[in-house]
Amino acid sequence: EVQLLESGGGLVQPGGSLRLSCAASGFTFSSYAMSWVRQAPGKGLEWVSVISGSGGSTYYADSVKGRFTISRDNSKNTLYLQMSSLRAEDTAVYYCAKGGGCSGGSCYSNFDPWGQGTLVTVSS
Amino acid sequence: QSVLTQPPSASGTPGQRVTISCSGSSSNIGSNSVYWYQQLPGTAPKLLIYRTNQRPSGVPDRFSGSKSGTSASLAISGLRSEDEADYYCAAWDDSLSGPVFGGGTKLTVL
Repeated sequence: EVQLLESGGGLVQPGGSLRLSCAASGFTFSSYAMSWVRQAPGKGLEWVSVISGSGGSTYYADSVKGRFTISRDNSKNTLYLQMSSLRAEDTAVYYCAKGGGCSGGSCYSNFDPWGQGTLVTVSS
Repeated sequence: QSVLTQPPSASGTPGQRVTISCSGSSSNIGSNSVYWYQQLPGTAPKLLIYRTNQRPSGVPDRFSGSKSGTSASLAISGLRSEDEADYYCAAWDDSLSGPVFGGGTKLTVL
């Protein structure tokens, strides 16, 4: 069974940093692109970032470009999201999800499955 | 404001058929596959439809997806109380180089 377990969320002050982790199991981690998607309280879904299976290709939403960095450690089956210069509008539940990204000339928005999410609150 | 446009709400009675629309542009729905997600209250989203009209294993055939031009639709037939949830469409956007979501549609089963 594929499982994704996020951790690292919490309360951080504006301008601060936080690193999220997503531990994956039940599939060959290095063979799949992985994504982060967030959901502000009471709001809809917003894609944040995606990284290819090898880690050699990354994409970011304009809203986080230059502030967030996605990475992965395939030896540990773990996905990361390093967040810096955090703003109040970054407050959200952050989900990691298997899938997304581009392969073979086509790009996909297939996020399946999703983790349970970790809450990040940016407030003073 | 979301790149893909969905109605904020939809409703139906048990047994009815309801459709949820998702409107985009040539850079997303017009040129890429559409995906639909179901989010039950208090839970993470779940993939409902992939590649516009394909159902993952375990998803009932009451759920179906379609696309025409720059718009897509999710149809739910034989509506059941457990279908009450938020539904989101998504597609890759070639101009933005990333996936975009609709704002979500809250489905109420009356």
